Amino acid sequence: DAGVTQSPTHLIKTRGQQVTLRCSPKSGHDTVSWYQQALGQGPQFIFQYYEEEERQRGNFPDRFSGHQFPNYSSELNVNALLLGDSALYLCASSFGEGGYEQYFGPGTRLTVT
Amino acid sequence: GQQLNQSPQSMFIQEGEDVSMNCTSSSIFNTWLWYKQDPGEGPVLLIALYKAGELTSNGRLTAQFGITRKDSFLNISASIPSDVGIYFCAPRGSGNTGKLIFGQGTTLQVKP
Repeated sequence: DAGVTQSPTHLIKTRGQQVTLRCSPKSGHDTVSWYQQALGQGPQFIFQYYEEEERQRGNFPDRFSGHQFPNYSSELNVNALLLGDSALYLCASSFGEGGYEQYFGPGTRLTVT
Repeated sequence: GQQLNQSPQSMFIQEGEDVSMNCTSSSIFNTWLWYKQDPGEGPVLLIALYKAGELTSNGRLTAQFGITRKDSFLNISASIPSDVGIYFCAPRGSGNTGKLIFGQGTTLQVKP
């Protein structure tokens, strides 16, 4: 049973650049949520996608956007990168709108220099 | 906003000891989840609680959903070295919200 997968594993970008992170949900799941985890902190909710629509959004600026594809996979895009965007970006998948039990992928470590 | 207090922040215990950690909030939640995260990896779901007062076990782990719906605790019995990691509580609000709110985490270290 394939779990949640994310790519790439690590990424280094320069301030002002744009980045796209990818996520494939666990088999049987249709909902994808994205979280940002700064060093030493708990994950912070960015947004959740269900039926190819953004259903909920956390307290993140419009520079953070996403997409969900018909096969339920998802992308997180961040524009105009800031140094403070350096973090571990986690994708979590679940079944159904709202996503009761969320299963996390290994994350993408983004470093902005 | 919703605030979570997770305690203790860190614990250093001897192998074989029991461990207890908890989360409290001023807000009411409908679901409490507990996760464990190893360095450089994503959180792993340990236990999910859905009803106030519910007590659920998963092997050596036991968690309870507080009666007031504002708190939850996690116990680990007879700790072993592989229990080392960061434990997070992650409650979820009412309705169809998919947003999990994570505590600051409890870092557990186990001395063999």
